[in-house]
Amino acid sequence: GQNIDQPTEMTATEGAIVQINCTYQTSGFNGLFWYQQHAGEAPTFLSYNVLDGLEEKGRFSSFLSRSKGYSYLLLKELQMKDSASYLCAVQTGANNLFFGTGTRLTVIP
Amino acid sequence: GAVVSQHPSWVICKSGTSVKIECRSLDFQATTMFWYRQFPKQSLMLMATSNEGSKATYEQGVEKDKFLINHASLTLSTLTVTSAHPEDSSFYICSATGGRPNTEAFFGQGTRLTVV
Repeated sequence: GQNIDQPTEMTATEGAIVQINCTYQTSGFNGLFWYQQHAGEAPTFLSYNVLDGLEEKGRFSSFLSRSKGYSYLLLKELQMKDSASYLCAVQTGANNLFFGTGTRLTVIP
Repeated sequence: GAVVSQHPSWVICKSGTSVKIECRSLDFQATTMFWYRQFPKQSLMLMATSNEGSKATYEQGVEKDKFLINHASLTLSTLTVTSAHPEDSSFYICSATGGRPNTEAFFGQGTRLTVV
């Protein structure tokens, strides 16, 4: 089976930095994705990691450690519009994509 | 990025009827399509994976006779919810990949199904 864990909810202040963690235990690993999802909408792609290390993309960065089964998404200079759910998803050997529980981030003024 | 179009965006149907949801890749060949279900305040749950021209692979606990998936071409997959019940009310989302390993999955807009 696939086991992908994230904190359920987080709150952070506008302008701050927040780190959303994801741990996983899956049968097969081809890569890890982070998606952002606003309520009632489809997820949108944020980042993709397949090798260990940090991938930076503007205000968003994602880190992966395959040996530890661990990833995090780092959001800098938080804006109110960043309030959303953030989904960690692991791509397994069959190219299936399994999603974590999702983290609901609330950005407060 | 590539475009995946899903229709309808919302549908209301009566208990016992069937509903078909379409998922189309508009500008690429989707060799693999995925169907997800999402209940309120929960994450996406993979229901099934379909490869063009072959039978879908269903996740454990998903009834293949109730959720019929057809992936007859490289640009279209359909999910039919048969004999719908109120508990089938959910947000259904498809995603598609071009088939190469380690590629991003592109998502449709989702379909809000309400069974009354």
